[in-house]
Amino acid sequence: GESVGLHLPTLSVQEGDNSIINCAYSNSASDYFIWYKQESGKGPQFIIDIRSNMDKRQGQRVTVLLNKTVKHLSLQIAATQPGDSAVYFCALGFGNEKLTFGTGTRLTIIP
Amino acid sequence: DAGVIQSPRHEVTEMGQEVTLRCKPISGHNSLFWYRQTMMRGLELLIYFNNNVPIDDSGMPEDRFSAKMPNASFSTLKIQPSEPRDSAVYFCASSPQSSGGNTIYFGEGSWLTVV
Repeated sequence: GESVGLHLPTLSVQEGDNSIINCAYSNSASDYFIWYKQESGKGPQFIIDIRSNMDKRQGQRVTVLLNKTVKHLSLQIAATQPGDSAVYFCALGFGNEKLTFGTGTRLTIIP
Repeated sequence: DAGVIQSPRHEVTEMGQEVTLRCKPISGHNSLFWYRQTMMRGLELLIYFNNNVPIDDSGMPEDRFSAKMPNASFSTLKIQPSEPRDSAVYFCASSPQSSGGNTIYFGEGSWLTVV
């Protein structure tokens, strides 16, 4: 079956530094990838997505990189702020199949 | 814009009682999902609907769980009878596409504790 995993369950970054959260997946047919942010006591919130015909997409302070060759997805957050502390999930889908979620990385921003 | 609205936000109930969780999806969205989140198992998809019709309920843990979507703006997830192991956060989510492989938007969750 589908396997989605994150390299690190926790990550601590100094405020102002950049952070990179990684996600590996096994299904090469995956064609849609999403990053979600979940703050304590809240539901997962959509951050950014990317389709398989792209390898990079940028948002406000966030960049998603997709390497289909090694089946690897990453989320880069620039100039981290205390409000970036949360659990980050990658999710992927293909065709009309339901999304598969990764296990999450807890990002802690150190003031 | 109103997001996905869930109620109750928090519920504490005794084992054996019936629990009903409610969800109002984002207006215009035609797919609705119920997820359960626990520390041990992460986010698990319980069931999802397209155009009010249940498409995949393979994630529903057992017959004690049931879900309905009587119309495009309302869904319920019911647990009867509830057990302590049902304690979790239950999320409702909706999507504008009639497929599973697109962005879904989550509500704030219903935090259930069964004692």
